[in-house]
Amino acid sequence: DGGITQSPKYLFRKEGQNVTLSCEQNLNHDAMYWYRQDPGQGLRLIYYSQIVNDFQKGDIAEGYSVSREKKESFPLTVTSAQKNPTAFYLCASTERQGDYNEQFFGPGTRLTVL
Amino acid sequence: RKEVEQDPGPFNVPEGATVAFNCTYSNSASQSFFWYRQDCRKEPKLLMSVYSSGNEDGRFTAQLNRASQYISLLIRDSKLSDSATYLCVVKRLTGGGNKLTFGTGTQLKVEL
Repeated sequence: DGGITQSPKYLFRKEGQNVTLSCEQNLNHDAMYWYRQDPGQGLRLIYYSQIVNDFQKGDIAEGYSVSREKKESFPLTVTSAQKNPTAFYLCASTERQGDYNEQFFGPGTRLTVL
Repeated sequence: RKEVEQDPGPFNVPEGATVAFNCTYSNSASQSFFWYRQDCRKEPKLLMSVYSSGNEDGRFTAQLNRASQYISLLIRDSKLSDSATYLCVVKRLTGGGNKLTFGTGTQLKVEL
């Protein structure tokens, strides 16, 4: 089955620790995205990557870092510099070209900072 | 002003009702438009794209008005299973590639 996997589903972290969220896709998509969703809010873009070894900051990149060493993988690190890291994190991917390509989402990781 | 604005609802409607959601966007450079559906504590999934001429998919009809920068979604004959949050999404090309901006969503509750 083609799709996007994120792990873990739930993650608890102590304040002051960095943590890395995994995102893997086997859809052969070039573009990958990380969003964060807070209760009652829409998805906000953290980072995105259109191609391997290249990525761009989204609207709320502060306190986060990413890498894109392989086409199928786009891990997100939530650093201790992120002031309010507790949220639902969603990874997505899409074909790079085309106006109406669907953006597919993984099941998400719920991060709670204790 | 937010780039994409939606009424958060909730819209509580009886089964079989027709319900309409509206969305406005502020960036005239937006190229493509979508409605996504998100169930509670799940990931969003594409419901339908919104084309300039308007389009229909079963009980769902989407309309786009580029002049007014306005998108709508009409759901006819509501089912209990339509209960979800509906996200308005606009896409535009940036220097870094295609970027989607999501509205905060409109919550729909269909009741018996």
